[in-house]
Amino acid sequence: DTEVTQTPKHLVMGMTNKKSLKCEQHMGHRAMYWYKQKAKKPPELMFVYSYEKLSINESVPSRFSPECPNSSLLNLHLHALQPEDSALYLCASSLREGHYEQYFGPGTRLTVT
Amino acid sequence: GENVEQHPSTLSVQEGDSAVIKCTYSDSASNYFPWYKQELGKGPQLIIDIRSNVGEKKDQRIAVTLNKTAKHFSLHITETQPEDSAVYFCAASRDSGGSNYKLTFGKGTLLTVNP
Repeated sequence: DTEVTQTPKHLVMGMTNKKSLKCEQHMGHRAMYWYKQKAKKPPELMFVYSYEKLSINESVPSRFSPECPNSSLLNLHLHALQPEDSALYLCASSLREGHYEQYFGPGTRLTVT
Repeated sequence: GENVEQHPSTLSVQEGDSAVIKCTYSDSASNYFPWYKQELGKGPQLIIDIRSNVGEKKDQRIAVTLNKTAKHFSLHITETQPEDSAVYFCAASRDSGGSNYKLTFGKGTLLTVNP
């Protein structure tokens, strides 16, 4: 089973709202990733968690706040977003951080109004 | 940092033909090269990868070749089918020896297989 699940599939939020994206995997992977993907572009790395600790933050604005409560779960908390933050948010996981296959979830399509 | 160029940006083939997508990379220390397929409305799916200790890898109708001297790698799809229609991304990364690991993606190729 190489499944990464993400909820919700779609999310519409206003600029003053607070919402969260959720990602889950049960493959025993200890590295989890958040990517942002705009239309017709490749995914852009936002955050990497390794063994539930934040390993990489790609200079992401503080209105995006990641959290890794346990080895299976990854959240992305959203607050005071801008319309330009509208995108597909992808979660991925791999066995370990490094040269291991990354498996992506289906993504959450976020629209900020 | 690493830079990955991918060509062509769009590719249209007839069902049953072969399709080839090419990528070049800039960092000679890169040694892991995955390919992802992304269908409309879905997340990227890893379809094949290659590491720098091999020159070619096959999995049924898909194959990847790597030329480390020229710093390029290619995806080959034979006997294409309409369900192969998708956006394909190549990527490259290197082992920095520490905890920093990033995939650098190409810009993607939209493959259309016409029945």
